Amino acid sequence: DQQVKQNSPSLSVQEGRISILNCDYTNSMFDYFLWYKKYPAEGPTFLISISSIKDKNEDGRFTVFLNKSAKHLSLHIVPSQPGDSAVYFCAASYNNNDMRFGAGTRLTVKP
Amino acid sequence: DAMVIQNPRYQVTQFGKPVTLSCSQTLNHNVMYWYQQKSSQAPKLLFHYYDKDFNNEADTPDNFQSRRPNTSFCFLDIRSPGLGDAAMYLCATRVGASTDTQYFGPGTRLTVL
Repeated sequence: DQQVKQNSPSLSVQEGRISILNCDYTNSMFDYFLWYKKYPAEGPTFLISISSIKDKNEDGRFTVFLNKSAKHLSLHIVPSQPGDSAVYFCAASYNNNDMRFGAGTRLTVKP
Repeated sequence: DAMVIQNPRYQVTQFGKPVTLSCSQTLNHNVMYWYQQKSSQAPKLLFHYYDKDFNNEADTPDNFQSRRPNTSFCFLDIRSPGLGDAAMYLCATRVGASTDTQYFGPGTRLTVL
């Protein structure tokens, strides 16, 4: 039962352009959403989060947008840098339950 | 630096031979998790400890067990590994509330021959 879905396994963008990573979820009870970033041979590291009471959260070059009616969130990276190349996982949780992860999107930022 | 450490990073075992994966943390977090991640799939939660309270996911096979002898250490025991158990095993910790960030270790890649 895949409650969190990342339908694009990979994304390639040019350095300096915007990267948009998408995530859909099926459980309307989710009230907290996170993005994790994973480099090869390392564990995922927390990047940015958003509560369901908001529709946008920004941290430097990273912005997460939440559309509750569509059960969709996205991560925008502007401008994209080669060091952003990694696998990005979307995750969601609700009511003190544990997180459910998407399968990840591999972002490649080309110089 | 405070961190989540997993040993070994790579583990090879034979079909049916018990194996133990180790996780330790210097963060003094209450919660410790074990995830299984197969190639191109989402990390799948196996179980977690909230302090000494063990919480098993409903679909975690009986073949998988866990021990948490103290706050710092948590072990994943696979009693009779099958070929389908080959995966990356991730350990993570969290302070307490579900909105707290989970901190992940680098993972142990298990190969079953």
